[in-house]
Amino acid sequence: DAKTTQPPSMDCAEGRAANLPCNHSTISGNEYVYWYRQIHSQGPQYIIHGLKNNETNEMASLIITEDRKSSTLILPHATLRDTAVYYCIGIGGGSQGNLIFGKGTKLSVKP
Amino acid sequence: GAGVSQSPSNKVTEKGKDVELRCDPISGHTALYWYRQSLGQGLEFLIYFQGNSAPDKSGLPSDRFSAERTGGSVSTLTIQRTQQEDSAVYLCASSSLGGARNSPLHFGNGTRLTVT
Repeated sequence: DAKTTQPPSMDCAEGRAANLPCNHSTISGNEYVYWYRQIHSQGPQYIIHGLKNNETNEMASLIITEDRKSSTLILPHATLRDTAVYYCIGIGGGSQGNLIFGKGTKLSVKP
Repeated sequence: GAGVSQSPSNKVTEKGKDVELRCDPISGHTALYWYRQSLGQGLEFLIYFQGNSAPDKSGLPSDRFSAERTGGSVSTLTIQRTQQEDSAVYLCASSSLGGARNSPLHFGNGTRLTVT
């Protein structure tokens, strides 16, 4: 699975869009990009995933560059409850359950 | 609907005792996963079940750790002769299809194990 690189921390003002970047320059053609987040004292929560095309759901949007070497998770209107650690993970066909969560980005949404 | 349920939510045990941690996955989910998270650390994979079999148990740290799944549903993680370094939050997840690439994992809120 691809190694991913994320900034350790980011701040965002409440109500503004939060844009969280992820570099995955070694990603292979069959690897999906998954995003999870972990709010303090809770288990990780699935957000969104994609392969090549941009994706949107009720939680977020995922923008994947054409060369697939990087992606951005967008929370369109961040709230205080979005404060969490966000993990970007590349998952290939060989993966069973061994997800490498890494250190993620600690997003702090401030009033 | 009901999510992944883990019990107990907290467990304090003395060094050397055995503990059992339980996971009830989302109904109908065929895949089940165990992870652990030590204080301030990332998530560490332990074992993956597809149905009742475990095609990947590579993350179990020692032979004191074992897990089983019965009826394609409930799973139990057992730690024998607990040590202080076993203290962590033990997280269970399930997914509707086998393999983390094919469908998202849904996590429970974990069991916080403290070994004194």
